[in-house]
Amino acid sequence: ETGVTQSPTHLIKTRGQQVTLRCSSQSGHNTVSWYQQALGQGPQFIFQYYREEENGRGNFPPRFSGLQFPNYSSELNVNALELDDSALYLCASSYGPEVGRGYEAFFGQGTRLTVV
Amino acid sequence: AQSVTQLGSHVSVSEGALVLLRCNYSSSVPPYLFWYVQYPNQGLQLLLKYTTGATLVKGINGFEAEFKKSETSFHLTKPSAHMSDAAEYFCAVSGDFGNEKLTFGTGTRLTIIP
Repeated sequence: ETGVTQSPTHLIKTRGQQVTLRCSSQSGHNTVSWYQQALGQGPQFIFQYYREEENGRGNFPPRFSGLQFPNYSSELNVNALELDDSALYLCASSYGPEVGRGYEAFFGQGTRLTVV
Repeated sequence: AQSVTQLGSHVSVSEGALVLLRCNYSSSVPPYLFWYVQYPNQGLQLLLKYTTGATLVKGINGFEAEFKKSETSFHLTKPSAHMSDAAEYFCAVSGDFGNEKLTFGTGTRLTIIP
């Protein structure tokens, strides 16, 4: 059983550019969530995809967008990058909404994005 | 709305001493509670979780946590600290179906003194 993998591991972009981060979910998982972790902070929920549909969004502007593919892998796209977008971006996969189970996420290693 | 508060951004304990990391939650529905650990330059690893049932939850690496509804707390403990326990620890809360996102605390950095 493979775990959650993210690519790339590190990325440097210039303010105003666009970036795409990728995530392969753990085998058998159909839900992917993305989190932003600024330096010294806890992760903040960006959005979640369940069976290719957005299933909840945090307090992030529309320039943060995502996709989930039929194999349940996912992309996070950020347009018009700002300096404050510099952070560790974490992808988490799970088996999906299950009544009475809550939410158990398995995280990837993250992508460190630096905006200069 | 759900939230968690971690008391103490930095905790230092001697090797072999008790580890106690504090977490209080706020939730309008029965919460699901988690502790995650993060080593430098890595993602998050699940230590333990509380969903329903037994309020004392045992996790990996000798950690355990007790859900106390009356105190809205979910503190993490380990009887004897090891050097390898040095890391950042995050408490998190989630809801049930339809509210699966994790809401994290700000984290507690645990330092182990030799």
